[in-house]
Amino acid sequence: GAVVSQHPSRVICKSGTSVKIECRSLDFQATTMFWYRQFPKQSLMLMATSNEGSKATYEQGVEKDKFLINHASLTLSTLTVTSAHPEDSSFYICSLPRPNTDTQYFGPGTRLTVL
Amino acid sequence: RKEVEQDPGPFNVPEGATVAFNCTYSNSASQSFFWYRQDCRKEPKLLMSVYSSGNEDGRFTAQLNRASQYISLLIRDSKLSDSATYLCVVNTGGGTSYGKLTFGQGTILTVHP
Repeated sequence: GAVVSQHPSRVICKSGTSVKIECRSLDFQATTMFWYRQFPKQSLMLMATSNEGSKATYEQGVEKDKFLINHASLTLSTLTVTSAHPEDSSFYICSLPRPNTDTQYFGPGTRLTVL
Repeated sequence: RKEVEQDPGPFNVPEGATVAFNCTYSNSASQSFFWYRQDCRKEPKLLMSVYSSGNEDGRFTAQLNRASQYISLLIRDSKLSDSATYLCVVNTGGGTSYGKLTFGQGTILTVHP
């Protein structure tokens, strides 16, 4: 069964609005979660690492004030895209570490379309 | 130069064919290596890890050459259900204790009847 869930799976919004995406760990507690973005025909790019109880770590070139991350519990991380614009339209995917490995479980993704 | 490079394809092969994908990575300190599969508009799913000794899982064989910084995936007896994008993924270490996954842009495979 699914290890990671995301909500919503798809969202369409007007330019200038904020959108919140939730990522939940279903099977175990996760002190660390990851947020990725994938533009059409491109690879997944890590945006930030979400840390439970502390600030997220953002990758170079990702605006922390635009992409707000809150990891308030051991099973939930949220990504808020503030004042979304059409160029923010993308596939946003969260993940969490797969125990005892160097790889990750991925959520089903959220497809954001900003009009 | 991209950290992980793949031939984007597309590869169009008939059922039963053998197809090989290649990938190179630039960070010599990379620690672990994977092939993921991504279906259209879905999340990536782990296909297999890649080890220096080479490893096989059914019709899939993966190879790693650390000296050349080269990774390969061989699919034998292709099935229609193998049609997907295959992602070469490298854990480059650093950052958190879990390292950092860097993805290639993917190689598109279409298997036709």
